Amino acid sequence: DGGITQSPKYLFRKEGQNVTLSCEQNLNHDAMYWYRQDPGQGLRLIYYSQIVNDFQKGDIAEGYSVSREKKESFPLTVTSAQKNPTAFYLCASTGTTALGYTFGSGTRLTVV
Amino acid sequence: GQSLEQPSEVTAVEGAIVQINCTYQTSGFYGLSWYQQHDGGAPTFLSYNALDGLEETGRFSSFLSRSDSYGYLLLQELQMKDSASYFCAVMGSSASKIIFGSGTRLSIRP
Repeated sequence: DGGITQSPKYLFRKEGQNVTLSCEQNLNHDAMYWYRQDPGQGLRLIYYSQIVNDFQKGDIAEGYSVSREKKESFPLTVTSAQKNPTAFYLCASTGTTALGYTFGSGTRLTVV
Repeated sequence: GQSLEQPSEVTAVEGAIVQINCTYQTSGFYGLSWYQQHDGGAPTFLSYNALDGLEETGRFSSFLSRSDSYGYLLLQELQMKDSASYFCAVMGSSASKIIFGSGTRLSIRP
């Protein structure tokens, strides 16, 4: 079955550490996205990529970095520069229906 | 910039009908979509409207008025499993990304 796989489901980070969240899709979608969700809040766009080897900043890109070396993969690195990284991170992709995203099951990141 | 407004909470009775409104401000417009998210889960796509009017998908319908920058999601024959958060999202100034509202938490009582 096609879909988006995010790993790990839960991640704990010590202060000052960089961590990388994985996102893999087998839907043959060109565009991929990373969103952050805080408790009781909406989704805020971190980064997005429409094609391989190209990506753009979203509304809250500071303290995050991404790469898009393969069509299937769009990993997100939460760097030590991100001062408040505890949140639920969602990866999404879309094909021809740009308004209809498919989401992964998310990674819940906690700073300890 | 872009912004969306929707009520933070709505309560309804099982079997009833509920409408969740969304107003938006964008510099451009390509479409309005709706997503459902259960607690702890990922959002799932429900519907989208690119043109004015009503789109129906089973018990759920979505409406758009571009002249009023307004849309709504209508849920009929409510079931307990419909208890979730509902997000409107707009593709505005850029056709390559969508911006989400802060969500409406729908609680259904027997």
